[in-house]
Amino acid sequence: DTGVSQDPRHKITKRGQNVTFRCDPISEHNRLYWYRQTLGQGPEFLTYFQNEAQLEKSRLLSDRFSAERPKGSFSTLEIQRTEQGDSAMYLCASSLRGAESEAFFGQGTRLTVV
Amino acid sequence: TQLLEQSPQFLSIQEGENLTVYCNSSSVFSSLQWYRQEPGEGPVLLVTVVTGGEVKKLKRLTFQFGDARKDSSLHITAAQPGDTGLYLCAGAWGNEKLTFGTGTRLTIIP
Repeated sequence: DTGVSQDPRHKITKRGQNVTFRCDPISEHNRLYWYRQTLGQGPEFLTYFQNEAQLEKSRLLSDRFSAERPKGSFSTLEIQRTEQGDSAMYLCASSLRGAESEAFFGQGTRLTVV
Repeated sequence: TQLLEQSPQFLSIQEGENLTVYCNSSSVFSSLQWYRQEPGEGPVLLVTVVTGGEVKKLKRLTFQFGDARKDSSLHITAAQPGDTGLYLCAGAWGNEKLTFGTGTRLTIIP
């Protein structure tokens, strides 16, 4: 396992469509994060998992966003009824243990809503 | 909402100059990490500091954690074009989520 992988790398969708992103973390890592990043800004926290349990979801996240991590391995992030404001880079990261462990990031999925 | 404020937001300096980037919060961190991100890539960890007053050096980079563990700084000596990137601090409160700062975009001019 060479690192965190995200799929797709780029996604262009029409407003109102649903999109799903996938993240495959480093295999022995228990923790998995999803962040959203706009150009030149720091990553904004969306949600995180400890194994298969979703421990926290940002209050800024609308009900259109949902994430899963079945069996504590890969994770998916779904956005329903996309809006132009959802356009951003979506980053996934994993770490061996908790927040004090190094977080390894994937290259992200760039979403453009037209 | 970002709880970690970084300053400056943008910094452009000549090669060979020194610089300092700051990360501040009103909250106490149990640990703080610094990352660097290049265009099209995810952030990559530079260092983790956990003890108030701690200083760590990584070649020309010096990281300091404030005594009260509410702030941190990154000092670069004799900056080089390869130092160009987005520098991010990230704080952890206990074993909860990792929260990132607003970022400092650094450009080193050859």
